[in-house]
Amino acid sequence: AQKVTQAQTEISVVEKEDVTLDCVYETRDTTYYLFWYKQPPSGELVFLIRRNSFDEQNEISGRYSWNFQKSTSSFNFTITASQVVDSAVYFCALTSGGDMRFGAGTRLTVKP
Amino acid sequence: NAGVMQNPRHLVRRRGQEARLRCSPMKGHSHVYWYRQLPEEGLKFMVYLQKENIIDESGMPKERFSAEFPKEGPSILRIQQVVRGDSAAYFCATRTSGSWETQYFGPGTRLLVL
Repeated sequence: AQKVTQAQTEISVVEKEDVTLDCVYETRDTTYYLFWYKQPPSGELVFLIRRNSFDEQNEISGRYSWNFQKSTSSFNFTITASQVVDSAVYFCALTSGGDMRFGAGTRLTVKP
Repeated sequence: NAGVMQNPRHLVRRRGQEARLRCSPMKGHSHVYWYRQLPEEGLKFMVYLQKENIIDESGMPKERFSAEFPKEGPSILRIQQVVRGDSAAYFCATRTSGSWETQYFGPGTRLLVL
């Protein structure tokens, strides 16, 4: 069975703080893809990153960075120097060929 | 190339009415997935369709819900005799046959049952 766990339900930080959102996954498949999505208050899903199971290189995109560790089945997301516009719900997701399994989401609030 | 389109974006129904949600895939996409997001929760898989076929409906409620993806036209998620608990955001995602790893999500339909 596949499962994605985002243990942090809500996080609140002050602008310019760094924040890390945790994601732990379970799968028996050797080939799979992991994703992060942002869901702003408007409700649409904004794709942030896709990472396949064979690529454990960390990735940085501007203020965003992702740490993929197969040994701990984790795919954590860090926002550096957070901004108010980063306030949203963030979802981690997993697929290995069928439907996507989503975590419950982490609501991030960045206060000015 | 237009993205995945869903309509209506917002739908209000009274208990007992029918709700029809439409998903128009991106050009060249013949695979459609429907997901439901209840308030304050993550997205949950409902059904997976290819043109004219239901491939996996393991996430669909047994009653009142049905889905189709005809040869021509959009995919339709149909909810009969809606109840308040059906209030949710319904997202569809589509992909090509060759790229199982990437689904493109539509903007969602927010259903409110009064």
